[in-house]
Amino acid sequence: NAGVTQTPKFQVLKTGQSMTLQCAQDMNHEYMSWYRQDPGMGLRLIHYSVGAGITDQGEVPNGYNVSRSTTEDFPLRLLSAAPSQTSVYFCASSRKPGQGEMQYFGPGTRLTVT
Amino acid sequence: KQEVTQIPAALSVPEGENLVLNCSFTDSAIYNLQWFRQDPGKGLTSLLLIQSSQREQTSGRLNASLDKSSGRSTLYIAASQPGDSATYLCALNRDDKIIFGKGTRLHILP
Repeated sequence: NAGVTQTPKFQVLKTGQSMTLQCAQDMNHEYMSWYRQDPGMGLRLIHYSVGAGITDQGEVPNGYNVSRSTTEDFPLRLLSAAPSQTSVYFCASSRKPGQGEMQYFGPGTRLTVT
Repeated sequence: KQEVTQIPAALSVPEGENLVLNCSFTDSAIYNLQWFRQDPGKGLTSLLLIQSSQREQTSGRLNASLDKSSGRSTLYIAASQPGDSATYLCALNRDDKIIFGKGTRLHILP
């Protein structure tokens, strides 16, 4: 049981490049989400999904796309990276939050955009 | 809009002392509240989860309380140890969204 996994652990991009951050969970969780963590700003919700085929925006969705074609995977896409997207990105999963379930976090991806 | 505040932002205490970390929130309509620990450069580790119908949860030297009417939660750490040094975050679960406080950075002095 691997829990929540994220790849890559580190990434450096140039402005304008695109990339996908991968997130997978093997706990059959319905709910998955992406956060970014910046100094002094805490963790902010980017996008979330309550099940396969369903996604919604969080607090800071601009510049990011998501899709949820399977229960296990929830990739985060940066279409045209900007220096403002330099951050640490965390993926999380749980059974539906509305049922008071515990959140499980991945180890994070540290992204630098130059 | 739900806001979550953690005060103080940083705290240093001598080893062995008991301490309390605070979390306050503006909207009491929450499903649950979760406390996390984050070590530098690492991910988040869940410590305690309190359901909205509960008043407190305990795990070892940790005790978390929840008072929805006053919009407050506290994390009590007994007999602090240097290994407790980390950032502690509280997070509220409401309407399919998890809202985090900015955390309290705790340093236990040997």
